[in-house]
Amino acid sequence: GQNIDQPTEMTATEGAIVQINCTYQTSGFNGLFWYQQHAGEAPTFLSYNVLDGLEEKGRFSSFLSRSKGYSYLLLKELQMKDSASYLCAVPGVNDYKLSFGAGTTVTVRA
Amino acid sequence: DADVTQTPRNRITKTGKRIMLECSQTKGHDRMYWYRQDPGLGLRLIYYSFDVKDINKGEISDGYSVSRQAQAKFSLSLESAIPNQTALYFCATSGRTSGYQETQYFGPGTRLLVL
Repeated sequence: GQNIDQPTEMTATEGAIVQINCTYQTSGFNGLFWYQQHAGEAPTFLSYNVLDGLEEKGRFSSFLSRSKGYSYLLLKELQMKDSASYLCAVPGVNDYKLSFGAGTTVTVRA
Repeated sequence: DADVTQTPRNRITKTGKRIMLECSQTKGHDRMYWYRQDPGLGLRLIYYSFDVKDINKGEISDGYSVSRQAQAKFSLSLESAIPNQTALYFCATSGRTSGYQETQYFGPGTRLLVL
């Protein structure tokens, strides 16, 4: 089975940086996804990491360390519209199913 | 037009009633999924289908059933609704890509209240 942990809530100021951590324990490893979900809306894909290191996409970056079972999502130059829940998810081995963490709610304050 | 649609978007029903939630997709994906989302618990997989002839239970399938009518349609039924099935329900799809894994694309969700 999959065990995925991420903080419940984080608060940051507009223009700042926030780092959302995710730790996982899996029977195998086949990559890690990050999704963004605004309140009452559908989750939308942000990133997928399968190799160690940092991948940058504009203001958002995602990091993976397979040996540590650890990932983080880095949000830079925070904007009010970044207030949302961020979900960490891992697929099964030889499988397309995703197991999701409970999500981290980020609140951006002016 | 949205690639993954769900109907209805909101539904109020009474305990014991049978209801069906429908999902349609125009992405041409083989794989479809039903999740429920509860506050503090994240997304939990109810059922999934890897192709039209393949149906599998997820982690919380009790009290639910599904039907894959076509590649594009995947319906979720609550045979006899109970209040603890009150939740936000999402349909998702995924299909072959050139990468290692398949990204899942979610419908807008159905908010269900069972009284």
